[in-house]
Amino acid sequence: AQSVAQPEDQVNVAEGNPLTVKCTYSVSGNPYLFWYVQYPNRGLQFLLKYITGDNLVKGSYGFEAEFNKSQTSFHLKKPSALVSDSALYFCAVRASRSGGYNKLIFGAGTRLAVHP
Amino acid sequence: DAGVIQSPRHEVTEMGQEVTLRCKPISGHDYLFWYRQTMMRGLELLIYFNNNVPIDDSGMPEDRFSAKMPNASFSTLKIQPSEPRDSAVYFCASKSEGSGELFFGEGSRLTVL
Repeated sequence: AQSVAQPEDQVNVAEGNPLTVKCTYSVSGNPYLFWYVQYPNRGLQFLLKYITGDNLVKGSYGFEAEFNKSQTSFHLKKPSALVSDSALYFCAVRASRSGGYNKLIFGAGTRLAVHP
Repeated sequence: DAGVIQSPRHEVTEMGQEVTLRCKPISGHDYLFWYRQTMMRGLELLIYFNNNVPIDDSGMPEDRFSAKMPNASFSTLKIQPSEPRDSAVYFCASKSEGSGELFFGEGSRLTVL
């Protein structure tokens, strides 16, 4: 069965420092992986995706994510955090064909708090 | 494009009442999804449609929940009768064929007293 794990409920980082939000996945076949961000009282917004190709994917707002097949991970990163990055971040994987090819399975979310 | 439009943004109702949530997907999108978000259970997929046809409703909690998509530009999620445990934020999202990216609405926050 397809699944996504975000092992940290919350990540705290000082403004200007690098940040990492972790995600591991389990899926049959080639994974299609996504990161979304949710600001308070808003819907989820797409940040970036990995389909194939370069393991380092760049996305919106200076975020990037590194796909690691051997570790089945897709960690979200940013070199220098901003207070405005504080939000809830979701990792997601597209289900395999048998699991409903067009469904996205979301992790539980990680709250990122960037302190001034 | 205005994005995915949901209404109402907030709904407060009493247990036993019928609740109808509405969604207008992005024009041209072939897929529409209904998700529910709670603190306890996170983001759950309830049902999704392709070209107005329900494809997977395995996430619908029980018979009190029903969803329809009468045309490409409108979908409803109905709860009848509502219960306090249905209190959550309900999101509608849409996407086009071949694209993995979902576009979410702002959500409908439901409180059942």
